[in-house]
Amino acid sequence: EAQVTQNPRYLITVTGKKLTVTCSQNMNHEYMSWYRQDPGLGLRQIYYSMNVEVTDKGDVPEGYKVSRKEKRNFPLILESPSPNQTSLYFCASSLDGFYEQYFGPGTRLTVT
Amino acid sequence: KQEVTQIPAALSVPEGENLVLNCSFTDSAIYNLQWFRQDPGKGLTSLLLIQSSQREQTSGRLNASLDKSSGRSTLYIAASQPGDSATYLCAVGVGGGATNKLIFGTGTLLAVQP
Repeated sequence: EAQVTQNPRYLITVTGKKLTVTCSQNMNHEYMSWYRQDPGLGLRQIYYSMNVEVTDKGDVPEGYKVSRKEKRNFPLILESPSPNQTSLYFCASSLDGFYEQYFGPGTRLTVT
Repeated sequence: KQEVTQIPAALSVPEGENLVLNCSFTDSAIYNLQWFRQDPGKGLTSLLLIQSSQREQTSGRLNASLDKSSGRSTLYIAASQPGDSATYLCAVGVGGGATNKLIFGTGTLLAVQP
């Protein structure tokens, strides 16, 4: 089954404790992206990747890192999480960024 | 700066009614527009994708139209069912070359009453 998977689905952590949210797709898509969703603000892009080893900032990249060492994986790294990063995070993939984007199930992160 | 607006923010209709959800965007320089459905606590499910050169797309009871020149898209749902209750999001694809992203509206929360 074609899908985008994210882990963990739920995470509660404390300020400053490094964490990684994994994202994997099995559709051989070139393009992958991370979004966060906040009430009243909608979904906003954090980072995206056009291909392996090619990443770039989206609209709200502060406090986040990403890497793209393999085509199928695009982890989101929070090296020192803060409470303002409490949010619902979505990973997405697309054939090349111009086609339909497929979203993962989301990761609900709470930073206390 | 591209801005996407969805009206109404919330809508409640009786089962069986046909309905239209609206999406407007400020910059016509888009390469596609995508409609999604989001159920509470769940991810986004892609409903329809309209490329910038297209005028509409249909899937089952859903029909989406795109008018780039006026910056508008509509999602028409025929014969609504309680199972259609969800938040509907529209997103425009912008960029080109090295920068591609979706810019989302804040959604329309639809409740279909049995």
